Amino acid sequence: GEDVEQSLFLSVREGDSSVINCTYTDSSSTYLYWYKQEPGAGLQLLTYIFSNMDMKQDQRLTVLLNKKDKHLSLRIADTQTGDSAIYFCAAEQRGYQKVTFGTGTKLQVIP
Amino acid sequence: DTEVTQTPKHLVMGMTNKKSLKCEQHMGHRAMYWYKQKAKKPPELMFVYSYEKLSINESVPSRFSPECPNSSLLNLHLHALQPEDSALYLCASSQGGLAGAQQRIAKNIQYFGAGTRLSVL
Repeated sequence: GEDVEQSLFLSVREGDSSVINCTYTDSSSTYLYWYKQEPGAGLQLLTYIFSNMDMKQDQRLTVLLNKKDKHLSLRIADTQTGDSAIYFCAAEQRGYQKVTFGTGTKLQVIP
Repeated sequence: DTEVTQTPKHLVMGMTNKKSLKCEQHMGHRAMYWYKQKAKKPPELMFVYSYEKLSINESVPSRFSPECPNSSLLNLHLHALQPEDSALYLCASSQGGLAGAQQRIAKNIQYFGAGTRLSVL
């Protein structure tokens, strides 16, 4: 099955850029997602990228996909204190009606 | 509108109680999901309903019983739970259908509710 890994923790200063990394194992993954979870809340979809793209930009968010290395990253420009949360990447395998979530990265933004 | 509504927000129950969690969406989605999430862990898939039929059961114990009365509603019936079942239970929905390799529309983008925080005493 698919295995999705992330680093556990990232700390950045307010106003800097944050880069959260994710690796996955199944090269047939079709879509890759980024979700944000604030304490006590559900998961909020931030963005997603189709596997034949290598970059997607959406306002302060930039997703980079290196399909050869099976590496996904999420860059948040001008990080704000409201960006403090846990960020999950998730991979959807072709032909399956489910996604595999990464372990989650806790982003701490220091004022 | 990408809202998925879950009730109740919090639930405390004893091991002999029977309770139900509810989930509702009005986006016309045809796939609905139940997840269990323990603290500091990613969500774990429990069940998937597709077009109101159970399509995935991730070997969940029978004390959890899902029900999909119609395409907008998803219930999770709870009976004889254990303290280790205490967790955040998340519902999600998606447009449904399998995405092919060339398809640009991600039919399985999942939109999540805020969850039900369950404590089993």
